Formats: sequence, C-alpha cells, structure tokens
Amino acid sequence: DQQVKQNSPSLSVQEGRISILNCDYTNSMFDYFLWYKKYPAEGPTFLISISSIKDKNEDGRFTVFLNKSAKHLSLHIVPSQPGDSAVYFCAASIDRGSTLGRLYFGRGTQLTVWP
Amino acid sequence: NAGVTQTPKFQVLKTGQSMTLQCAQDMNHEYMSWYRQDPGMGLRLIHYSVGAGITDQGEVPNGYNVSRSTTEDFPLRLLSAAPSQTSVYFCASSYSFTSGRAVRFFGPGTRLTVL
Repeated sequence: DQQVKQNSPSLSVQEGRISILNCDYTNSMFDYFLWYKKYPAEGPTFLISISSIKDKNEDGRFTVFLNKSAKHLSLHIVPSQPGDSAVYFCAASIDRGSTLGRLYFGRGTQLTVWP
Repeated sequence: NAGVTQTPKFQVLKTGQSMTLQCAQDMNHEYMSWYRQDPGMGLRLIHYSVGAGITDQGEVPNGYNVSRSTTEDFPLRLLSAAPSQTSVYFCASSYSFTSGRAVRFFGPGTRLTVL
C-alpha cells in the first residue's frame, strides 16, 4: 500500500512561472519529508526537506510547505527554469521505532518547463 | 570524491541466470541501501546495511541477496533472475541510518533486463 502518493504523474509549466508539485501521505507517524530530483540516466539527488514541526522551508527558488492536518505537502519552484525539468520524488520517514530512518517514496512527478 | 559508483550501467540476463550488481562509495558512510525503480512506481527498498557485517531486508527483498564485508562496498546478488526483476537498480549511502534527515547519496543506477 502506497503510503506516499504523488497523484500527478506529470506537470508542464512555462519558464518563469511557478511550478507546484503535490504530495499526500497516509501515515501520521511520518515526521520528516524530503524531495529528491532525478534527471534521466542519473540517480536521484536531494533537493529540500522539512521537519514535521515546521510548516515551511525555503531554499532559494524552492519552498516546501507542509500541512499536517491534511497530510499534504507541496514543493513550489519560483521562477521555474528549463533546467528544472526532471522527475521529482516526494519521500517521508519515521525517525523512531523499528522503521527509523527508512525512506518511503512516492511514484514521482515529471516536471517539464518549456521556454 | 567519486561518491557512489555502480557497475554495470546496463545488463541483460536470461531467466535463471545469476549476477551481482556492484556498488561502492568513498564517503565513509555507514549506511548503504539498494532500491529498485519500476515504471510508474516510486523507489522501493530491497536491502540495507547499517555497517560492515550488518544487513537487513527492506520492502521487496525476495530474490536478492546482499553482504557487507567492507564499509565501501555493498553488492546486490540476483540468485536466479526472473523477468519480474527487470528494473533500474539504485544504490544509496548516507552518513547515518538513524534519521531520514541523513541525505541519501544515490549512484547513477543499473538498468537490468531479464528475458
């Protein structure tokens, strides 16, 4: 059963506009969330993360928002650039108990930024 | 630093054949793990290791074997390949296994096809 869900397999955005990638989760025990970015023929690379005690984390053009009551997080990219075109994976972890540190990944969203 | 390296990049096997996917890291990370990525699926954890001599099963361990004799290397063995094991395999390492906060560094992947 998929505990981390990315319901949009793809997103297309014009350069300069905002990209919003969404992620939902079902396990209320998750306490840390991460976004990884993946280019073709490469491994995923870490992008940004957020702890469950926060509702926002910002790093340059990238901001992650967390809504714990809705079990929803989103990644905002402003402004979007063609180099942002990649697959974005949402991931979550439980930092206690028998599964501590294990990452649970969503299926990914392919972002395409066109000029 | 080379980071996380994986060999081979591509491999074609016949059903029933065995092979070993190699993974090495030069960051002195204690934690290493193997994931598989299938079309439309997120990354799923196969096996992981929290240090030399210590391994454990992940989400989808059947048909795979691992060992960790050194900090640097974490090979994944397919005992008797099956078409269901056709996938892209990623190795990852991080400095800590106790927290999802520890960034996973991924290798470039091995694309395996089983006929």
